[in-house]
Amino acid sequence: NAGVTQTPKFRILKIGQSMTLQCAQDMNHNYMYWYRQDPGMGLKLIYYSVGAGITDKGEVPNGYNVSRSTTEDFPLRLELAAPSQTSVYFCASSYSAAGGNYGYTFGSGTRLTVV
Amino acid sequence: GESVGLHLPTLSVQEGDNSIINCAYSNSASDYFIWYKQESGKGPQFIIDIRSNMDKRQGQRVTVLLNKTVKHLSLQIAATQPGDSAVYFCAEKGGGYSTLTFGKGTMLLVSP
Repeated sequence: NAGVTQTPKFRILKIGQSMTLQCAQDMNHNYMYWYRQDPGMGLKLIYYSVGAGITDKGEVPNGYNVSRSTTEDFPLRLELAAPSQTSVYFCASSYSAAGGNYGYTFGSGTRLTVV
Repeated sequence: GESVGLHLPTLSVQEGDNSIINCAYSNSASDYFIWYKQESGKGPQFIIDIRSNMDKRQGQRVTVLLNKTVKHLSLQIAATQPGDSAVYFCAEKGGGYSTLTFGKGTMLLVSP
């Protein structure tokens, strides 16, 4: 199993450009999440999904959009990149919210710089 | 709002010492807690978890202690090794279904 795969690993965007951060998991997890991590800070939740076709906002959703057309994929879209979106983005997935292990499996991250 | 925080941003220890990393949480409804390890350039990795109906859980060289009275969580690493050098995050889950809330992290530096 590859686990959670994120692409690209690095990207530099100009202000106003758009891009999609890709995330795929092969563990048949229902739940998927996007976090951003700013230097010296913890992880802040952007969006999450509890299953295909269902998404919801997290703590810092402004400037981002997501979709979940399949169980495996959960892309994150930046429409008009701003310097404040310079960060490391992590995608994660988990099997179930009710009972069992709630632990998330994380991807290796996408380092995004907006100039 | 509710948050999870850490007391020490950086902890430096000698190889072979025991390390203790602390975390304070403020959501009394949180029922599940996890410690993650994040090495440079990588995503967080699950270390150990504990439910609110427990006060101690042990893994391989790691122990998590939960004190619900003072809303405090700690991670103990026995015989710390240079490979343990990383940032350690605590995370909490509120009651029912809710997403994990992460603390800011503690950098653990292990000297040979």
